[in-house]
Parts: sequence; structure tokens; C-alpha cells
Amino acid sequence: DTGVSQDPRHKITKRGQNVTFRCDPISEHNRLYWYRQTLGQGPEFLTYFQNEAQLEKSRLLSDRFSAERPKGSFSTLEIQRTEQGDSAMYLCASRTTAFNYGYTFGSGTRLTVV
Amino acid sequence: DQQVKQNSPSLSVQEGRISILNCDYTNSMFDYFLWYKKYPAEGPTFLISISSIKDKNEDGRFTVFLNKSAKHLSLHIVPSQPGDSAVYFCAASHGSGNTGKLIFGQGTTLQVKP
Repeated sequence: DTGVSQDPRHKITKRGQNVTFRCDPISEHNRLYWYRQTLGQGPEFLTYFQNEAQLEKSRLLSDRFSAERPKGSFSTLEIQRTEQGDSAMYLCASRTTAFNYGYTFGSGTRLTVV
Repeated sequence: DQQVKQNSPSLSVQEGRISILNCDYTNSMFDYFLWYKKYPAEGPTFLISISSIKDKNEDGRFTVFLNKSAKHLSLHIVPSQPGDSAVYFCAASHGSGNTGKLIFGQGTTLQVKP
């Protein structure tokens, strides 16, 4: 297991198009998180899953955003009708319920909406 | 509202000297604090953490200090090495056993000069 994988690494899309990102967490990690990072800011929480259940969503996650984690394995984050303000780095992270060691983040998906 | 603040966007130190990165927070309910390091084009990497019941945690060259009365924490790197050059984020969480959602600061870019 080589860590948290995210695909694609980069995505350029036209405004109004839909995009979907994928995250493959570390296999034994039951918790999976999505964060968004814009230039000059720290990561901002979007949503998290424990196994297949989505347990919390941020107010940042408008109704154009949807996330799934079928069967508690990989997760997808979809953005519908993209806007220029959606341009950001989307980070996925995973961990076990033991909290002492922090998350393991993936390398992120850089989204550019033109 | 920025609950976790890193007021210094950048810091430059000479190799071998001490680097001190600072972080302030406003929410007294935070009970766990973490530092992450981020290189360009990579996701954040967990560095060190501290529980609110402690005031110091040390791991090799890295020490985190927590001053709860001042709502302030700092990361000390001694001695600093050129490979430490990266963006450092502090993060906080509240409610052990809860979501594990982290609130991040804006980050401080550390440059260690050879």
C-alpha cells in the first residue's frame, strides 16, 4: 500500500461542465476526508466518511457538490456546473479512528475552471 | 472567522539555526493540535502533534509547545536543514473521538538557506 491516491492530478474544465475526482485511501483506514485548498490558504474541510457513511458536510459544500464512498473503499467527489470559484486543489485524506497520528493526505487534484 | 491563524506568511533562517513557527487559535474547545509540512505539488505530510493536556511534545529535531492560556502554539526546528524548506500548516481539532475534522491555519513558508 503506497498511501492515498488521487486521480486525476490535474483537471482543466470549462465553466458549466461537470467534473469527478477519485480518491483511493489507505486500505485499512475507515475514515476518509475531502478538503479544498486555495492559493495562500490552508486546507478547508468539505466532508468526511466513516466507512460508507457520509457523516458531516461543510457549508462550503454547495448543492453542486456531491461525494460518495460506495462500499467504504474509494471515494468520488463530483462538482456539477463548475464555476471559476471552484478552481482549487482538492485534497483527500484518510486515517483510522485512532487519532494520535494525523491524516495521510493524497497529492491532490488541481482543478482549473476556465 | 479564522479560528486558527498563522500570522507570519514566511520565515527565512540560516542552516543550522533554530526555526520557530507560530500559530494562534481562538476556540478554547480545541483539544488536539497538529503540524503539517507541505512541499509543492504534494499533499500535506503529518509532522508532529500535541494534546491539550500537554505543553510540550518532542520528536527528534521537532518540538511543539502549547500555551493554552495564550491560545498559542509554536513549532521549533533545531537544527534547521535546507530540506526543511516547505510550507508549514498548524491545525486544530476539538472533541476527541468525534469527526476528526481539522481546522487549518493559512500556512507559513519556511526557507532554510545553506
